Amino acid sequence: GENVEQHPSTLSVQEGDSAVIKCTYSDSASNYFPWYKQELGKRPQLIIDIRSNVGEKKDQRIAVTLNKTAKHFSLHITETQPEDSAVYFCAAYTREMGSRLTFGEGTQLTVNP
Amino acid sequence: DVKVTQSSRYLVKRTGEKVFLECVQDMDHENMFWYRQDPGLGLRLIYFSYDVKMKEKGDIPEGYSVSREKKERFSLILESASTNQTSMYLCASSLATGGLNEQFFGPGTRLTVL
Repeated sequence: GENVEQHPSTLSVQEGDSAVIKCTYSDSASNYFPWYKQELGKRPQLIIDIRSNVGEKKDQRIAVTLNKTAKHFSLHITETQPEDSAVYFCAAYTREMGSRLTFGEGTQLTVNP
Repeated sequence: DVKVTQSSRYLVKRTGEKVFLECVQDMDHENMFWYRQDPGLGLRLIYFSYDVKMKEKGDIPEGYSVSREKKERFSLILESASTNQTSMYLCASSLATGGLNEQFFGPGTRLTVL
């Protein structure tokens, strides 16, 4: 089955800096890669996703890149703000696994004012 | 807005008790999921269901069962709770195309087994 690894587990940056979180996946058949953000005490929510026919996608200050050859994808947050502090989860979808996602272990991002 | 609700935010049970966690979604989603969230381990899938009365095992089904008698409701059952089942439990739902669609999560139930 699919295995998703996420790094780093914790990340601390100064406000205004950029943050990058990386994930690798094992199943070359995976074709959809969402990112979820979970603020403290709240439920995870989708913030951006990318499909395997696209190399990069941007939405304001966040972007996701995908390298299918190397089987890794990354979340980039620019001009970080304190409200970006949260746990971020990457995930991968493989059709052969049914209607399910496989999540990474999560990254605790702290943005220091 | 999609709304996914869970029956309890906090639950305290004793070892050996039978525990029911309920999840309800109001958007007519076909797929429903139960995850367990533990620090450093991410979101681990326990069971999921893509239709009424259908269920599929996830990565950690041992010690759990599920029930989906109605489309909007998905129940997680701990037949005999154990201390290692102390965790945050998250329910989610999505449209029929499953992983290709956004999963909407409930607020979570923090279960403590004493």
